[in-house]
Amino acid sequence: AQSVTQLGSHVSVSEGALVLLRCNYSSSVPPYLFWYVQYPNQGLQLLLKYTSAATLVKGINGFEAEFKKSETSFHLTKPSAHMSDAAEYFCAVSDLGSQGNLIFGKGTKLSVKP
Amino acid sequence: DAGVTQSPTHLIKTRGQQVTLRCSPKSGHDTVSWYQQALGQGPQFIFQYYEEEERQRGNFPDRFSGHQFPNYSSELNVNALLLGDSALYLCASSLGGGAPRPQHFGDGTRLSIL
Repeated sequence: AQSVTQLGSHVSVSEGALVLLRCNYSSSVPPYLFWYVQYPNQGLQLLLKYTSAATLVKGINGFEAEFKKSETSFHLTKPSAHMSDAAEYFCAVSDLGSQGNLIFGKGTKLSVKP
Repeated sequence: DAGVTQSPTHLIKTRGQQVTLRCSPKSGHDTVSWYQQALGQGPQFIFQYYEEEERQRGNFPDRFSGHQFPNYSSELNVNALLLGDSALYLCASSLGGGAPRPQHFGDGTRLSIL
């Protein structure tokens, strides 16, 4: 069965610092991987997706993620945090057999200090 | 171009009642999925509708049922409400097909059970 583990339920960084949010997946078949962001009282917005093309995926708002099969990881990074990045971030996995249905991690809440 | 719209935004019910939530998919999308997001958790997949049929279902009891209309809009029905059904219910739409496609989420319906 597929699963996603997000290490760290809460990450705090200073404005301008590197953002690193960790995601490890478990899948018996080549996965499709996604990062979503959720702002308070809103739905989820797609940041980026990995679909077996390039292992380094660039998304919106300056975020990127690298797929590492050997480590079963798909960590999300951003070189310089902005106050507007404060939100909850979810990693999700899917595969061809699931008709696109997503299995989410528990989320990581990102705080950005001025 | 309208995104995914859900109604109502908030709803308060009491135990034992029944509720219907509504979703209109993003223009051009034909597949609707429903997720339940409890407080502090990641979304959990309830079921997916495609071509007016339930195509896949997560680990939710039969109290949860749905419907998809010819215009691709969808309803989620929950009977015999329990306190544990209090959550944010998210609707997501995508374009059907074999490969997992990015899902676009609405802002959700916040359901509170008293």
